[in-house]
Amino acid sequence: TQLLEQSPQFLSIQEGENLTVYCNSSSVFSSLQWYRQEPGEGPVLLVTVVTGGEVKKLKRLTFQFGDARKDSSLHITAAQPGDTGLYLCAGAAAAGNKLTFGGGTRVLVKP
Amino acid sequence: NAGVTQTPKFRVLKTGQSMTLLCAQDMNHEYMYWYRQDPGMGLRLIHYSVGEGTTAKGEVPDGYNVSRLKKQNFLLGLESAAPSQTSVYFCASSYTDRVRETQYFGPGTRLLVL
Repeated sequence: TQLLEQSPQFLSIQEGENLTVYCNSSSVFSSLQWYRQEPGEGPVLLVTVVTGGEVKKLKRLTFQFGDARKDSSLHITAAQPGDTGLYLCAGAAAAGNKLTFGGGTRVLVKP
Repeated sequence: NAGVTQTPKFRVLKTGQSMTLLCAQDMNHEYMYWYRQDPGMGLRLIHYSVGEGTTAKGEVPDGYNVSRLKKQNFLLGLESAAPSQTSVYFCASSYTDRVRETQYFGPGTRLLVL
């Protein structure tokens, strides 16, 4: 079973600060996705990365896939209260393989 | 479009009772999934379906059964509920299972087994 470890589990910061969430594994993934989940709702896909070393930007969010495709990070610049939520990474070993989710990082951005 | 809907939103069961969770999608997706979410453990795949009439086991299938009689519906059954099945259940669907494919999630069903 492939495992994805997310760190930290919980992050509380002030509005305007930067934060980084990490997603690590000892296994190689062919793709990695990041989701955000708000209370009472299902996860919503933010981004998919598939190439080692790939960097994707979504406004103030920057996603990076490790060169060896075993890890990924999510960096939020100048966080806003609207960024509050549970961030989940999920990897697939290969096309057609089902997603393995990390345990999630709960982010709280205080105004 | 409603996307993915789940019923009920919340349910309390006694140990040993049975129930069925319903998932419906209106996006004509072939693939449908049932996950459970527990604190600190992310989402774990229970069962999934790659098309009408087909189902397969996921990571944690024990104690659950599923059926996909219609393409738009995916049912999750608990024949004899146990406290360990207290969780939030999410249904998801996708058009394919290609690498970049998006899974669309429903709002979840919160289940408490006493």
